[in-house]
Amino acid sequence: GAVVSQHPSWVICKSGTSVKIECRSLDFQATTMFWYRQFPKQSLMLMATSNEGSKATYEQGVEKDKFLINHASLTLSTLTVTSAHPEDSSFYICSASGLAGFNEQFFGPGTRLTVL
Amino acid sequence: AQSVTQLGSHVSVSEGALVLLRCNYSSSVPPYLFWYVQYPNQGLQLLLKYTSAATLVKGINGFEAEFKKSETSFHLTKPSAHMSDAAEYFCAPDSGNTPLVFGKGTRLSVIA
Repeated sequence: GAVVSQHPSWVICKSGTSVKIECRSLDFQATTMFWYRQFPKQSLMLMATSNEGSKATYEQGVEKDKFLINHASLTLSTLTVTSAHPEDSSFYICSASGLAGFNEQFFGPGTRLTVL
Repeated sequence: AQSVTQLGSHVSVSEGALVLLRCNYSSSVPPYLFWYVQYPNQGLQLLLKYTSAATLVKGINGFEAEFKKSETSFHLTKPSAHMSDAAEYFCAPDSGNTPLVFGKGTRLSVIA
């Protein structure tokens, strides 16, 4: 099956710094990637949708200048949390779709971000 | 817009007992439907999907779900719970290449 990886799996940073999270589709070309965040004991909330080569579409309430998304190739999307604050601490999950003939999304293992 | 409702945020069963996790969808046109499982501190793994080919769908780890149009339901079941089934389960409708909108999730606890 299709495999999506995320790096790093966990990160701890100081308040005010920026953190980059990578999402890669390892064995297929992902025309679309999605970024979700998940707070403890809650469901996944979609942050943004990114299509290769174009600007990401952000969900209402998500600050695009704070959560920078780049989808420069068909196998890589990055999420950069700029000027991180403790309230940004969360579990960030990406997913990818685009495998020919499939509608399902394939999820990465997630990245645990802790901002001190 | 298509959406799902998962009844029960937490379900607790004894090991060996039947597992029933409920999902009702809201749509005039039955969508594709997915069940995903999330183990602690991990991403989501697809359990099974309904794509209109068959109303009873068998998935991994012994789980299955039955699509019932008359009840707009797609409940997830497993005849005999195992300790390793303890996880969070999410139901989601699929409208094609658009982002999934997940239900609130149901946490399954399995008691020895």
